[in-house]
Amino acid sequence: SAVISQKPSRDICQRGTSLTIQCQVDSQVTMMFWYRQQPGQSLTLIATANQGSEATYESGFVIDKFPISRPNLTFSTLTVSNMSPEDSSIYLCSVEDQHFNYGYTFGSGTRLTVV
Amino acid sequence: AQKITQTQPGMFVQEKEAVTLDCTYDTSDQSYGLFWYKQPSSGEMIFLIYQGSYDEQNATEGRYSLNFQKARKSANLVISASQLGDSAMYFCAMREPDQGAQKLVFGQGTRLTINP
Repeated sequence: SAVISQKPSRDICQRGTSLTIQCQVDSQVTMMFWYRQQPGQSLTLIATANQGSEATYESGFVIDKFPISRPNLTFSTLTVSNMSPEDSSIYLCSVEDQHFNYGYTFGSGTRLTVV
Repeated sequence: AQKITQTQPGMFVQEKEAVTLDCTYDTSDQSYGLFWYKQPSSGEMIFLIYQGSYDEQNATEGRYSLNFQKARKSANLVISASQLGDSAMYFCAMREPDQGAQKLVFGQGTRLTINP
């Protein structure tokens, strides 16, 4: 299966600042997905990022708050903007993995704490 | 509407016992896929097992098996001979098409604790 390098693994940030999370895949993939997992909760899809087009955001998530870049088929970033304590979550990227029979590989996650 | 339902917030099992984690789903599609993931305290998502909607046999992967009952729309995970390292959150997920993208929708999860 594809291998995803997600950075940073964790961070503590001041409210009002922004953090950019990176995901690098070791092979070309069409779709990348960004998830948020709030403390004690399940994974919620933020957006789907297809190379060369604007990301598609799920209900409740907006581009101004979570801008996403997808400059090529192996890389994507998610920015969490103007952070508040409510943004404290684990953020995970995932890819639809053509090399993996069952379809999906996840990054190791970014554990974000906003103080 | 909730598409994946996991009704067991927490499960406590003695080591070496078998455990069943429940999952029911809701979809009108004929083609879909069902997944189980394990999430240890480190936060990574570990793929366990997959069942396609057209698969006639229940999926198995080592100590993991999936009890797929299509008519009842259930896809329960069975872990045989549980180990201390099985303590983690377990998520059931369904893949379904949505405007060209194959998205995963997750249930709320079950926290499994294995007691020595």
